[in-house]
Amino acid sequence: DAGVTQSPTHLIKTRGQHVTLRCSPISGHKSVSWYQQVLGQGPQFIFQYYEKEERGRGNFPDRFSARQFPNYSSELNVNALLLGDSALYLCASSAIHRAGELFFGEGSRLTVL
Amino acid sequence: AQRVTQPEKLLSVFKGAPVELKCNYSYSGSPELFWYVQYSRQRLQLLLRHISRESIKGFTADLNKGETSFHLKKPFAQEEDSAMYYCALSPLTGGFKTIFGAGTRLFVKA
Repeated sequence: DAGVTQSPTHLIKTRGQHVTLRCSPISGHKSVSWYQQVLGQGPQFIFQYYEKEERGRGNFPDRFSARQFPNYSSELNVNALLLGDSALYLCASSAIHRAGELFFGEGSRLTVL
Repeated sequence: AQRVTQPEKLLSVFKGAPVELKCNYSYSGSPELFWYVQYSRQRLQLLLRHISRESIKGFTADLNKGETSFHLKKPFAQEEDSAMYYCALSPLTGGFKTIFGAGTRLFVKA
């Protein structure tokens, strides 16, 4: 098993653009969480999805949205990018009965210019 | 409000010395506590969880509900322990949100 995979690994956008980040969970995991990690800080919770439904949302503006597909993969979308959105975006999957035990991908490094 | 506090950004110890990484939390219900670790050029991974009560790589952590703490300890630090350590909290039942502290960088000197 390749573990949690994320794409793209790096990307550069300009202010006002939108971005879509993708995540494939570990086989058998039905829950996907998204985190934003800014340099020097811990991961900040954005969303959690289970069975294609949003189960938790962090303190992020409506420019951030996500969805989960029938195969449990997930997308994170960010609209109207701001300089402050520059960060490492982490995806984590978990088996629902052990929701706190997260398996992380390597992240997508977003730079907004 | 849920909060995880790691008061030390950087902790530097000599090889063979004991190490303690501090974690305090604030949570109104029953939490499950975790320690995650990120070694250089590796992804963030689970080190241990309080429910398991196990020792991983010589590390242990005890949940102190009275002091709302979950400090990570190891009696004899090794150079390979140098990494970024994050304390995390998740609701024990019915919850889906795991929150993380800001992290402590442990540097073990030879």
